[in-house]
Amino acid sequence: DGGITQSPKYLFRKEGQNVTLSCEQNLNHDAMYWYRQDPGQGLRLIYYSQIVNDFQKGDIAEGYSVSREKKESFPLTVTSAQKNPTAFYLCASSPPGTGEQYFGPGTRLTVT
Amino acid sequence: DAKTTQPTSMDCAEGRAANLPCNHSTISGNEYVYWYRQIHSQGPQYIIHGLKNNETNEMASLIITEDRKSSTLILPHATLRDTAVYYCIVRVASLIIQGAQKLVFGQGTRLTINP
Repeated sequence: DGGITQSPKYLFRKEGQNVTLSCEQNLNHDAMYWYRQDPGQGLRLIYYSQIVNDFQKGDIAEGYSVSREKKESFPLTVTSAQKNPTAFYLCASSPPGTGEQYFGPGTRLTVT
Repeated sequence: DAKTTQPTSMDCAEGRAANLPCNHSTISGNEYVYWYRQIHSQGPQYIIHGLKNNETNEMASLIITEDRKSSTLILPHATLRDTAVYYCIVRVASLIIQGAQKLVFGQGTRLTINP
């Protein structure tokens, strides 16, 4: 089955720790994205990548970092510099030339 | 960037047509209208998109007014599984770079289908 997987579904961390969220896709898409969603709010773009070894900051990149070493993988690291890291994190990918983004099931991160 | 305005919430009876409006009065000529939905605690799902003609697929129909300043997403026979937040998004064509599409998700319309 083709799709996007994110793991784990729920993640708990102590304040001050870095944490890495996994995102893998087997759709052969070049473009991948990370979004953050807070309760009752829409999605906000953190980072996006157009191609392997390239990524660009989105609207709320501060306190986050990414890498794109493989086409299939786009991990997101939430660093200790992110002041309010507790949120629902969504990864997506898209084929070129369309606005159709395919989303993973999300990871709910809780930092205490 | 064209912005969209949607009602915060709507209700619809099961089996009836659900009509979700969206205003995008500042849309420019080369910008598409996209609709996504998000069922609680899941990732958003693409529904449909259009430029100026009406569009239909297996999930829904999209009606865009002639002046393109508003559109309506129609779920013809709503079921309980259609309960979700529906996002109307204008694709910002100028931000498309080498295939990466920056979509701006607002707060959407929370649609509740009642039995």
